[in-house]
Amino acid sequence: EPEVTQTPSHQVTQMGQEVILRCVPISNHLYFYWYRQILGQKVEFLVSFYNNEISEKSEIFDDQFSVERPDGSNFTLKIRSTKLEDSAMYFCASIQTWSYGYTFGSGTRLTVV
Amino acid sequence: GENVEQHPSTLSVQEGDSAVIKCTYSDSASNYFPWYKQELGKRPQLIIDIRSNVGEKKDQRIAVTLNKTAKHFSLHITETQPEDSAVYFCAASKGGGNKLTFGTGTQLKVEL
Repeated sequence: EPEVTQTPSHQVTQMGQEVILRCVPISNHLYFYWYRQILGQKVEFLVSFYNNEISEKSEIFDDQFSVERPDGSNFTLKIRSTKLEDSAMYFCASIQTWSYGYTFGSGTRLTVV
Repeated sequence: GENVEQHPSTLSVQEGDSAVIKCTYSDSASNYFPWYKQELGKRPQLIIDIRSNVGEKKDQRIAVTLNKTAKHFSLHITETQPEDSAVYFCAASKGGGNKLTFGTGTQLKVEL
Protein backbone atom coordinates (compact mmCIF):
# COMPACT_ATOMS: atom_id res chain seq x y z
CA GLU A 1 0.00 0.00 0.00
CA PRO A 2 1.40 3.45 -0.92
CA GLU A 3 2.70 5.52 1.98
CA VAL A 4 3.44 9.13 2.77
CA THR A 5 7.08 9.33 3.85
CA GLN A 6 8.42 11.92 6.29
CA THR A 7 11.99 12.76 7.26
CA PRO A 8 13.53 13.14 9.72
CA SER A 9 11.56 11.15 12.28
CA HIS A 10 12.96 13.28 15.10
CA GLN A 11 14.73 16.63 15.03
CA VAL A 12 16.16 18.62 17.91
CA THR A 13 16.96 22.26 17.23
CA GLN A 14 18.03 25.34 19.13
CA MET A 15 15.50 28.13 19.59
CA GLY A 16 15.84 30.66 16.78
CA GLN A 17 17.21 28.16 14.28
CA GLU A 18 15.56 27.31 10.97
CA VAL A 19 14.24 23.81 10.37
CA ILE A 20 12.94 22.09 7.25
CA LEU A 21 10.64 19.11 7.56
CA ARG A 22 10.34 16.92 4.50
CA CYS A 23 7.52 14.83 3.11
CA VAL A 24 7.08 12.67 0.03
CA PRO A 25 3.33 12.40 -0.67
CA ILE A 26 1.75 9.53 -2.58
CA SER A 27 2.64 10.04 -6.22
CA ASN A 28 -0.84 10.45 -7.72
CA HIS A 29 -2.22 12.57 -4.89
CA LEU A 30 -2.89 16.21 -5.63
CA TYR A 31 -3.69 17.85 -2.27
CA PHE A 32 -1.04 18.06 0.44
CA TYR A 33 -1.32 19.12 4.06
CA TRP A 34 0.68 19.80 7.17
CA TYR A 35 -0.84 19.19 10.58
CA ARG A 36 0.66 19.71 14.02
CA GLN A 37 0.04 17.86 17.27
CA ILE A 38 1.41 19.23 20.53
CA LEU A 39 1.99 16.40 23.01
CA GLY A 40 -1.26 15.25 24.54
CA GLN A 41 -3.41 17.55 22.41
CA LYS A 42 -5.49 17.27 19.28
CA VAL A 43 -4.26 17.31 15.70
CA GLU A 44 -4.36 20.87 14.32
CA PHE A 45 -4.46 21.94 10.67
CA LEU A 46 -1.61 24.18 9.53
CA VAL A 47 -1.81 24.49 5.75
CA SER A 48 -3.12 22.87 2.58
CA PHE A 49 -1.38 23.01 -0.80
CA TYR A 50 -2.83 22.37 -4.25
CA ASN A 51 -1.63 23.12 -7.77
CA ASN A 52 1.63 24.55 -6.45
CA GLU A 53 0.08 27.09 -4.16
CA ILE A 54 -1.39 27.39 -0.69
CA SER A 55 -5.15 26.77 -0.78
CA GLU A 56 -5.83 27.38 2.90
CA LYS A 57 -3.84 28.17 6.04
CA SER A 58 -4.69 28.40 9.71
CA GLU A 59 -3.94 31.15 12.21
CA ILE A 60 -1.02 29.06 13.44
CA PHE A 61 0.63 29.30 10.00
CA ASP A 62 2.14 32.74 10.42
CA ASP A 63 5.05 34.41 8.63
CA GLN A 64 7.53 32.07 10.33
CA PHE A 65 6.14 29.15 8.34
CA SER A 66 6.40 28.41 4.64
CA VAL A 67 5.74 25.43 2.39
CA GLU A 68 7.26 24.45 -0.90
CA ARG A 69 7.15 21.67 -3.48
CA PRO A 70 10.66 22.15 -4.86
CA ASP A 71 10.95 19.22 -7.26
CA GLY A 72 7.53 17.75 -7.98
CA SER A 73 7.83 14.98 -5.40
CA ASN A 74 8.97 16.47 -2.10
CA PHE A 75 6.74 18.71 -0.01
CA THR A 76 8.51 20.73 2.68
CA LEU A 77 7.55 22.77 5.74
CA LYS A 78 10.05 25.41 6.82
CA ILE A 79 10.02 27.16 10.16
CA ARG A 80 12.33 30.16 9.92
CA SER A 81 13.05 30.95 13.55
CA THR A 82 11.87 28.22 15.85
CA LYS A 83 10.27 28.93 19.23
CA LEU A 84 9.87 26.63 22.21
CA GLU A 85 6.15 26.39 21.49
CA ASP A 86 6.87 24.96 18.03
CA SER A 87 7.81 21.70 19.75
CA ALA A 88 5.29 19.18 18.46
CA MET A 89 4.73 16.25 16.15
CA TYR A 90 4.28 17.42 12.58
CA PHE A 91 2.29 15.22 10.21
CA CYS A 92 2.16 15.47 6.46
CA ALA A 93 -0.92 14.15 4.67
CA SER A 94 -2.11 13.82 1.10
CA ILE A 95 -5.34 13.01 -0.73
CA GLN A 96 -6.68 12.42 -4.22
CA THR A 97 -9.22 15.02 -5.23
CA TRP A 98 -11.90 12.45 -5.97
CA SER A 99 -11.48 10.57 -2.76
CA TYR A 100 -12.01 11.35 0.90
CA GLY A 101 -9.26 9.13 2.27
CA TYR A 102 -6.48 11.20 3.80
CA THR A 103 -3.17 9.36 4.13
CA PHE A 104 -0.94 10.54 6.98
CA GLY A 105 2.82 10.23 7.16
CA SER A 106 4.52 8.78 10.24
CA GLY A 107 5.39 12.25 11.52
CA THR A 108 8.41 14.30 12.54
CA ARG A 109 8.86 14.98 16.22
CA LEU A 110 10.34 18.46 16.52
CA THR A 111 11.93 19.43 19.82
CA VAL A 112 13.03 23.04 20.26
CA VAL A 113 15.46 23.60 23.14
CA GLY B 1 -14.93 27.87 10.70
CA GLU B 2 -15.70 24.31 11.69
CA ASN B 3 -15.61 23.34 15.36
CA VAL B 4 -15.67 19.69 16.45
CA GLU B 5 -16.36 18.75 20.05
CA GLN B 6 -15.70 15.26 21.39
CA HIS B 7 -16.81 13.47 24.55
CA PRO B 8 -15.77 11.88 26.78
CA SER B 9 -12.10 12.80 27.10
CA THR B 10 -11.36 9.52 28.87
CA LEU B 11 -13.27 6.25 28.84
CA SER B 12 -12.51 3.13 30.77
CA VAL B 13 -14.37 -0.12 30.02
CA GLN B 14 -14.02 -3.77 30.91
CA GLU B 15 -12.90 -6.16 28.21
CA GLY B 16 -15.90 -7.36 26.27
CA ASP B 17 -18.01 -4.30 27.02
CA SER B 18 -19.04 -1.72 24.44
CA ALA B 19 -17.57 1.78 24.12
CA VAL B 20 -19.28 4.82 22.66
CA ILE B 21 -17.59 8.10 21.76
CA LYS B 22 -19.61 11.10 20.61
CA CYS B 23 -18.79 14.14 18.50
CA THR B 24 -20.67 17.22 17.40
CA TYR B 25 -19.77 19.55 14.56
CA SER B 26 -20.83 23.09 13.76
CA ASP B 27 -20.56 23.52 9.98
CA SER B 28 -23.56 22.09 8.13
CA ALA B 29 -21.44 22.00 4.95
CA SER B 30 -19.25 19.24 6.41
CA ASN B 31 -19.98 15.97 4.65
CA TYR B 32 -17.18 13.59 5.60
CA PHE B 33 -16.60 12.23 9.11
CA PRO B 34 -13.64 9.93 9.73
CA TRP B 35 -12.52 8.33 12.96
CA TYR B 36 -8.86 7.83 13.75
CA LYS B 37 -7.07 5.63 16.25
CA GLN B 38 -3.74 6.91 17.50
CA GLU B 39 -1.27 4.96 19.56
CA LEU B 40 1.42 6.78 21.52
CA GLY B 41 3.96 8.41 19.21
CA LYS B 42 2.30 7.07 16.05
CA ARG B 43 0.35 8.60 13.20
CA PRO B 44 -3.45 8.75 13.24
CA GLN B 45 -4.82 5.59 11.62
CA LEU B 46 -8.19 5.69 9.88
CA ILE B 47 -10.48 3.05 11.36
CA ILE B 48 -13.83 3.97 9.82
CA ASP B 49 -15.44 6.89 8.04
CA ILE B 50 -18.90 7.96 6.97
CA ARG B 51 -20.21 10.40 4.43
CA SER B 52 -23.28 12.55 4.89
CA ASN B 53 -25.44 10.54 2.48
CA VAL B 54 -25.31 7.57 4.86
CA GLY B 55 -26.73 7.31 8.40
CA GLU B 56 -24.77 4.31 9.64
CA LYS B 57 -21.78 2.24 8.64
CA LYS B 58 -20.38 -0.90 10.23
CA ASP B 59 -17.10 -2.76 9.93
CA GLN B 60 -16.90 -5.84 12.14
CA ARG B 61 -16.79 -4.59 15.77
CA ILE B 62 -16.77 -0.92 14.81
CA ALA B 63 -19.73 1.19 13.72
CA VAL B 64 -20.35 4.86 13.15
CA THR B 65 -23.69 6.67 13.17
CA LEU B 66 -24.43 10.12 11.81
CA ASN B 67 -27.31 12.46 12.60
CA LYS B 68 -27.07 15.34 10.11
CA THR B 69 -30.00 17.22 11.61
CA ALA B 70 -28.45 17.31 15.06
CA LYS B 71 -24.93 17.58 13.65
CA HIS B 72 -23.52 14.74 15.68
CA PHE B 73 -21.85 11.43 14.97
CA SER B 74 -20.75 8.59 17.19
CA LEU B 75 -18.27 5.73 17.22
CA HIS B 76 -19.38 2.41 18.66
CA ILE B 77 -16.92 -0.35 19.50
CA THR B 78 -18.40 -3.67 20.60
CA GLU B 79 -16.68 -6.57 22.37
CA THR B 80 -13.74 -4.37 23.31
CA GLN B 81 -10.28 -5.92 23.58
CA PRO B 82 -7.12 -4.65 25.31
CA GLU B 83 -5.62 -3.80 21.91
CA ASP B 84 -8.43 -1.29 21.39
CA SER B 85 -6.78 0.87 24.08
CA ALA B 86 -5.60 4.07 22.36
CA VAL B 87 -6.63 7.67 21.74
CA TYR B 88 -9.52 8.04 19.31
CA PHE B 89 -10.13 11.22 17.33
CA CYS B 90 -13.17 12.19 15.34
CA ALA B 91 -12.85 14.67 12.49
CA ALA B 92 -14.99 16.54 9.98
CA SER B 93 -14.36 17.86 6.49
CA LYS B 94 -16.25 19.45 3.61
CA GLY B 95 -14.49 17.02 1.27
CA GLY B 96 -13.05 17.86 -2.13
CA GLY B 97 -9.60 18.48 -0.74
CA ASN B 98 -10.71 20.59 2.22
CA LYS B 99 -8.93 20.23 5.55
CA LEU B 100 -9.85 17.91 8.38
CA THR B 101 -10.93 19.51 11.66
CA PHE B 102 -10.24 17.18 14.56
CA GLY B 103 -11.97 16.69 17.87
CA THR B 104 -10.04 16.81 21.12
CA GLY B 105 -9.63 13.05 21.43
CA THR B 106 -10.82 10.27 23.74
CA GLN B 107 -8.37 8.13 25.70
CA LEU B 108 -9.94 4.66 25.70
CA LYS B 109 -8.65 2.15 28.20
CA VAL B 110 -9.86 -1.44 28.02
CA GLU B 111 -9.22 -3.23 31.28
CA LEU B 112 -8.86 -6.99 31.74
